[in-house]
Amino acid sequence: DTGVSQNPRHKITKRGQNVTFRCDPISEHNRLYWYRQTLGQGPEFLTYFQNEAQLEKSRLLSDRFSAERPKGSFSTLEIQRTEQGDSAMYLCASSPDRAGSNEQFFGPGTRLTVL
Amino acid sequence: RKEVEQDPGPFNVPEGATVAFNCTYSNSASQSFFWYRQDCRKEPKLLMSVYSSGNEDGRFTAQLNRASQYISLLIRDSKLSDSATYLCVVIPERSYIPTFGRGTSLIVHP
Repeated sequence: DTGVSQNPRHKITKRGQNVTFRCDPISEHNRLYWYRQTLGQGPEFLTYFQNEAQLEKSRLLSDRFSAERPKGSFSTLEIQRTEQGDSAMYLCASSPDRAGSNEQFFGPGTRLTVL
Repeated sequence: RKEVEQDPGPFNVPEGATVAFNCTYSNSASQSFFWYRQDCRKEPKLLMSVYSSGNEDGRFTAQLNRASQYISLLIRDSKLSDSATYLCVVIPERSYIPTFGRGTSLIVHP
């Protein structure tokens, strides 16, 4: 399968714990995005990488959230001191760096539950 | 006002019906427009891009109205398998950051 993969698929944690999610994009895609989605809402943009450079970060993103893409391939999203409000589906998407191409290919997501 | 607005529905239609969704956007500098489909508990997948001249893909037709700042999706001859949430996506010019609407739920029944 050469699509976007995410691990873990599900994560249950207690409030105050740290969690880390991983995303492996489609190999030739330079752009990588993280989103958060809650029930009844569309995906909400969190952050964006072009290769290893983090170019945009949502103003709504708390400083408890950090993302990396150290070698321009896979990416990690860490949430520190989780809160119940962090419970959501965390989606990763990748996109090729071609002029006129903005199609995003999504991974299956990581569902986070904070107790 | 939200950047991208959609009626969440649900739209309940019988098989074979024609159904249309609209999506309005607030940023007049928006440049790229898309419809994505999301099945229950699955990831979104691109349904179609929306071009200025309008475009059609089988039973699906997408149109853009820049003057009124909305895009539309028309589904003809609805199938049971069309049941899903349809997400409107808008990207401003000189940006790679999409804004998703909350989605419109479609339920096609026998």
